[in-house]
Amino acid sequence: ELQLVQSGAEVKKPGESLTISCQGSGYTITSYWIAWVRQMPGKGLEWMGMIYLEDSDIRYSPSFEGQVTISADKSTNTAYLQWRSLKASDTAIYYCARGSGDLGPWGQGTPVTVSS
Amino acid sequence: EIVLTQSPGTLSLSPGERATLSCRASQNVNAIYLAWYQQKPGQSPRLLIYRSSSRATGIPDRFSGSGSGTDFTLTITRLEPEDSAVYYCQQYGTSPITFGQGTRLEIK
Repeated sequence: ELQLVQSGAEVKKPGESLTISCQGSGYTITSYWIAWVRQMPGKGLEWMGMIYLEDSDIRYSPSFEGQVTISADKSTNTAYLQWRSLKASDTAIYYCARGSGDLGPWGQGTPVTVSS
Repeated sequence: EIVLTQSPGTLSLSPGERATLSCRASQNVNAIYLAWYQQKPGQSPRLLIYRSSSRATGIPDRFSGSGSGTDFTLTITRLEPEDSAVYYCQQYGTSPITFGQGTRLEIK
């Protein structure tokens, strides 16, 4: 069964850095794109960008380019989402999902809280 | 970017009824690049429909999608209590990928 397992909830202060992860199991995710999607509290879904693990091709939404970094480690079947300096407005649940268009399956989500 | 506007914002129906959810795009979307998702409280989204009318694996045939151009529809027949959720449309034919704001379906 295809499954994406994300890292656990994070509580950070403004200005801190953070990396969250998404590891695939049950298949080789290097043959697929992995997308990252943000869901702010009580809000809808926002596509942030995606990465193709086989060749590290990365695409960003203009809304998120420069704000986050997407990367991957092909050897561990893992994709990453990184912030250099968190803001309170980064508080959200972050999902990874397989695909470059329609998305599925999805990870369980990583809640990130940024508060002083 | 393509803006997707979903209506209604909230839909309240009884079990056994039929739900019709609308997704309107700000510009033409190739139907093969339109998907629908279901998100229940506290859960991750789940792919229901891709290519505007193809059901994802394991999705019952009560769920169907249709549409073309700028107007797309998700229809759910014979509503069940478990269908209570927020439903999102998504287009992936033009970068950046965008989602609608969601329609909340309540089963009375």
